[in-house]
Amino acid sequence: GQQLNQSPQSMFIQEGEDVSMNCTSSSIFNTWLWYKQDPGEGPVLLIALYKAGELTSNGRLTAQFGITRKDSFLNISASIPSDVGIYFCAGQLWGGSQGNLIFGKGTKLSVKP
Amino acid sequence: DSGVTQTPKHLITATGQRVTLRCSPRSGDLSVYWYQQSLDQGLQFLIQYYNGEERAKGNILERFSAQQFPDLHSELNLSSLELGDSALYFCASSVGTTYQETQYFGPGTRLLVL
Repeated sequence: GQQLNQSPQSMFIQEGEDVSMNCTSSSIFNTWLWYKQDPGEGPVLLIALYKAGELTSNGRLTAQFGITRKDSFLNISASIPSDVGIYFCAGQLWGGSQGNLIFGKGTKLSVKP
Repeated sequence: DSGVTQTPKHLITATGQRVTLRCSPRSGDLSVYWYQQSLDQGLQFLIQYYNGEERAKGNILERFSAQQFPDLHSELNLSSLELGDSALYFCASSVGTTYQETQYFGPGTRLLVL
């Protein structure tokens, strides 16, 4: 099925460092979302972006909706140990009450204290 | 806690068997989505129901079916199970009528087919 290209696949960083990950698609979306998944749990929404060019922050997290509508990035500043987990980007194309998400394969983040 | 509940949490069964996964959406949510998460394919959309009616279909196999009941809970039925069906199955819900709605995910059901 359709999938987004998410990179990097994994990151090992030191506590306090900044992190950047991104997603690209061959198709346009009208919503980009970033989720975090902890082991044994379902994805939890971090940031939702609804307009091309939109830049949105949620605490230490900042995400942008690319102007071509085919890409998005997520930055985490001053990482802490609880940032560990798998981060997923997801694209959504709404129409007729259909709103299924297309997910990237995830970026696994490890933070060394 | 997202407010979405899924049962059972774990399921172990044998090839050829049939299982039913259950999902209760958040109170007030009309849309239910089912996703499959496997190591090689990642998170894949299976099917969406809105207020009891099927709204969208993704990569759902013919051996799989779902329904949404009048009380809005949903069930995903997996039959003639194969080893490759082993995965995490997530249900998500949203209010489901307009643009800009967050999908809230349940904790998932981990299915192991032996």
